[in-house]
Amino acid sequence: GAVVSQHPSWVICKSGTSVKIECRSLDFQATTMFWYRQFPKQSLMLMATSNEGSKATYEQGVEKDKFLINHASLTLSTLTVTSAHPEDSSFYICSACTDRGFIRNTIYFGEGSWLTVV
Amino acid sequence: AQSVTQLGSHVSVSEGALVLLRCNYSSSVPPYLFWYVQYPNQGLQLLLKYTSAATLVKGINGFEAEFKKSETSFHLTKPSAHMRDAAEYFCAVSDADSWGKLQFGSGTQVVVTP
Repeated sequence: GAVVSQHPSWVICKSGTSVKIECRSLDFQATTMFWYRQFPKQSLMLMATSNEGSKATYEQGVEKDKFLINHASLTLSTLTVTSAHPEDSSFYICSACTDRGFIRNTIYFGEGSWLTVV
Repeated sequence: AQSVTQLGSHVSVSEGALVLLRCNYSSSVPPYLFWYVQYPNQGLQLLLKYTSAATLVKGINGFEAEFKKSETSFHLTKPSAHMRDAAEYFCAVSDADSWGKLQFGSGTQVVVTP
């Protein structure tokens, strides 16, 4: 079964509204989670690194005020797309791993969340 | 920064034929390399990973990949393709300083014909 769960799997929202996507680690404590975005027929692009108890680290070109990331506990990170617009429509997927110092730890991916902004 | 290049955005193979997907990395030090598969409208499934142990890595579903430092490559192979292998395949790279943070290649769509 899935060890990283994302919710919702699908969401449709109106332009200008905000939508929150949750990423939960089910069987382990994830000190670090990562958020990726995948446009149709394209690869996954890293958006940000989410660290429990601290501010997220955003990749170049990703607007931190638009894509709010909160990692309030060791099992939950949330991505909020604020004032969503149609160009934000995409597949958002998170991943999680435990101690980053131990390279053999598995990186688990969530099932992904489809966002459609109309 | 670490990066990977996947040669060929589409590969068509006959059922039972060899599957070969190419991935080259750019790094001055051996990175950690991964192959993932993505089925339509689904998340990612790890096929295999290289973490500086054996250079020939065996994964799930009959796939394997060989790390070749001299060629900076990590090509994915499967001796005999099945219809269920039709999917998108991504090569990805990470390094020890930022383990878990993956840079993905552009992906290769595999089509399997009867």
